[in-house]
Amino acid sequence: DQQVKQNSPSLSVQEGRISILNCDYTNSMFDYFLWYKKYPAEGPTFLISISSIKDKNEDGRFTVFLNKSAKHLSLHIVPSQPGDSAVYFCAASARTNAGKSTFGDGTTLTVKP
Amino acid sequence: DTGVSQDPRHKITKRGQNVTFRCDPISEHNRLYWYRQTLGQGPEFLTYFQNEAQLEKSRLLSDRFSAERPKGSFSTLEIQRTEQGDSAMYLCASSLRRQGGTGELFFGEGSRLTVL
Repeated sequence: DQQVKQNSPSLSVQEGRISILNCDYTNSMFDYFLWYKKYPAEGPTFLISISSIKDKNEDGRFTVFLNKSAKHLSLHIVPSQPGDSAVYFCAASARTNAGKSTFGDGTTLTVKP
Repeated sequence: DTGVSQDPRHKITKRGQNVTFRCDPISEHNRLYWYRQTLGQGPEFLTYFQNEAQLEKSRLLSDRFSAERPKGSFSTLEIQRTEQGDSAMYLCASSLRRQGGTGELFFGEGSRLTVL
């Protein structure tokens, strides 16, 4: 049973528009939620995170929203840039071992110029 | 600041052979993790160390897999009697346990294993 799901394998948006990547989870014991970006032939790179005590965290063009009642989180990228084209992984972990993350299968974002 | 480095980047081996991967974490990080990633999936947790102690192993880690982190610095992941199903990207990550942190991981570029 997959505890973290990214239901959209791919997303294509126009440069300058908003990209919204979604993630659902099933385990209510998760305390932290993170987004990673991965370019080909590189390891994942940490992008932004949110604690379960918050519902929004913003860092520049990136905002993560958490809806605990729906067990849903989303990553908003505004405005989207061609350099944002990558695979985005949603991940979740518990406070007892924050680095032991459960990952979704990723969403490939393509930002068209 | 050097990031997490892994060696080798790519290993091709024949079924039944043993392979070893090495990971050098970010020097001030006290936690080191191994993950495995197959095509089209996200990374899966294998094991982690806090300093030199191996504190948790996933059920995914069969007895053919062993990991060490002597002296709490670099780590090695050895796979004995490789099988074709072991073909994957093996990712190492490190982190620093800190107050207010959310467990963000710093990944290396990975070691890709191909078992023929």
